[in-house]
Formats: sequence, C-alpha cells, structure tokens
Amino acid sequence: QSALTQPASVSGSPGQSITISCTGTSSDVGSYNLVSWYQQHPGKAPKLMIYEVSKRPSGVSNRFSGSKSGNTASLTISGLQAEDEADYYCCSYAGGSTFFGTGTKVTVL
Amino acid sequence: QVQLVQSGSELKKPGASVKVSCKASGYTFTSYAMNWVRQAPGQGLEWMGWINTNTGNPTYAQGFTGRFVFSLDTSVSTAYLQISSLKAEDTAVYYCAADNAFDYWGQGTLVTVSS
Repeated sequence: QSALTQPASVSGSPGQSITISCTGTSSDVGSYNLVSWYQQHPGKAPKLMIYEVSKRPSGVSNRFSGSKSGNTASLTISGLQAEDEADYYCCSYAGGSTFFGTGTKVTVL
Repeated sequence: QVQLVQSGSELKKPGASVKVSCKASGYTFTSYAMNWVRQAPGQGLEWMGWINTNTGNPTYAQGFTGRFVFSLDTSVSTAYLQISSLKAEDTAVYYCAADNAFDYWGQGTLVTVSS
C-alpha cells in the first residue's frame, strides 16, 4: 500500500466552493469510515479539520465539510477565504496502519 | 487545553543518534495514543507509527522498523522518538500527534543530518 492520491493543486476565487478528492483503495478509504483531513500552513503543524469522514472538531468553520463515496473521500471548502490558502492532507486508517494523502495545495486567486 | 511541546531542532552527523521528546499537558497522558509523523523538506506527511500510552506497546509503519524506537516516560507525560544510525535522508520535521484522529499536534522538531 502507498499514499492516498490527491490532486497536486486546486484553486478558486474568494467566495467560491472547491472540492479536494482523496482516492484510496478498498483496503483503506473504502473499508473504514476513518478518513480525516488536515490543513497545514507554511512552517506550521497540521491542524485537524475533519474526522471520521464528515465530523468537524469544535472550533472548525462549518465552511469545511467532508464526504465519502466508495474508495474516494472528498473535502469541500465553501465560501473560500484568503486564510484557507494552505496545504491539505487526507488520511485514512487501513487496518493496523494509517496512510496520508499526497497533499493538495489550495490557492485563493 | 491540550498541548504537545516538542524538543528543539537538532543538527547531527551521519551515523549519530537523536532523541526527540514530546511533552503533553492539559489531559491525562494515558488517555490518548501518541503517533509520530515525518515530513521531509518540501514533501508530504508520512505516518511513522504509534505507541499505546497505556501499555507502552509500539507499532511501526513499513519503512520505520529497525532504526526507529518509540518510548514513553509516563511519570513526566512525555513520549520519545529515537532514531539511530542517522542518514541524510532522515532530514525532516518530526511531529508527535495525540489521539486516534491526530487531534492534537506538537510544533514539530527539525532534525538535520549533515556532515
């Protein structure tokens, strides 16, 4: 097994919605509702944005939402804001192991 | 509030060892598993494994067996990552992250391996 597949970059204008995909396999994303998403600004530690596919931790904006269909999970950011510009990583449990996605750079135009 | 504070940056020569610490506060240390994550320069996140803070039993991801050791000192609520026989490719930021969904992260420790 290897890293989950994400698009290298996604961009959008302020106020728009964007969606980041995270493609795994039937051994990880497809088998467990244990997909999480992290936001990482340059030089900072990652921050948990979504856990268990679609749950938001306290304090995370409801502009962030998660979903899953088959072997692919998705993170949607609605009402895009300048501070959303960052790297985003998905992560999935895989039965005794855990894999991160390849990462997506979100650019706010 | 939950805090994970890691030790400072390290500069090591190839072949040396390094021990990174991660001190937890704001919660009962044994309540959350502790994970370790590596991020090489300009690269993505890589899960290294985790340690059960109740039993001290470590689990290592593929590619992180042999030279990598996770340990605990529960008396001071601290987790450790030790890397031996350092190589240039071990140069990275190492993060500790608590709980199953990596809810809480340390600030990261940069380990640079260079002659």
